[in-house]
Amino acid sequence: RKEVEQDPGPFNVPEGATVAFNCTYSNSASQSFFWYRQDCRKEPKLLMSVYSSGNEDGRFTAQLNRASQYISLLIRDSKLSDSATYLCVVSPQGGGATNKLIFGTGTLLAVQP
Amino acid sequence: DTAVSQTPKYLVTQMGNDKSIKCEQNLGHDTMYWYKQDSKKFLKIMFSYNNKELIINETVPNRFSPKSPDKAHLNLHINSLELGDSAVYFCASSQDPPPDTQYFGPGTRLTVL
Repeated sequence: RKEVEQDPGPFNVPEGATVAFNCTYSNSASQSFFWYRQDCRKEPKLLMSVYSSGNEDGRFTAQLNRASQYISLLIRDSKLSDSATYLCVVSPQGGGATNKLIFGTGTLLAVQP
Repeated sequence: DTAVSQTPKYLVTQMGNDKSIKCEQNLGHDTMYWYKQDSKKFLKIMFSYNNKELIINETVPNRFSPKSPDKAHLNLHINSLELGDSAVYFCASSQDPPPDTQYFGPGTRLTVL
């Protein structure tokens, strides 16, 4: 089983739609969670961290369910510029020199005009 | 004023050759990383360094040798290139290990013929 699993998509949605991505992780002891965004042929960039209580940044809402080992990202009012691959990222430890980021394979979003 | 830079951006070479990729960050970060993103877009850590010291070595073949001459630079030398080494290699940096935010370079697209 992969450490971080995502539906690869693609998700093709019209502008203005609401779209949700899900992600599951296998290590129940994982401590930190993130969504990164990667545009085509570009580097990944942090979109947002995911907190236990859920958090929102403008049109983006992230949720964490530790019991189900499940992370979600909701994008409201999709824009053409939201088209990208969304990477679910998990950090197994709370900190420490040997901690690392484990990336999912990403979910491709294509927002259509 | 690029934060994390890599050279070269593209590298096309024959099997069996030796090549190097260079990375520099001007963010004053203490931790640097090399990641490999394969053709399936799976992004996986290869190495991490903290203040020039190797911290993480993720079962990478010893044909890959990272070197950190100072904490702003992390280079990757690859000996005896194989077809399977074809991928995009990303350098990244962060002030501290995860969960601290990582900033990625633009990537080096390596093609081995």
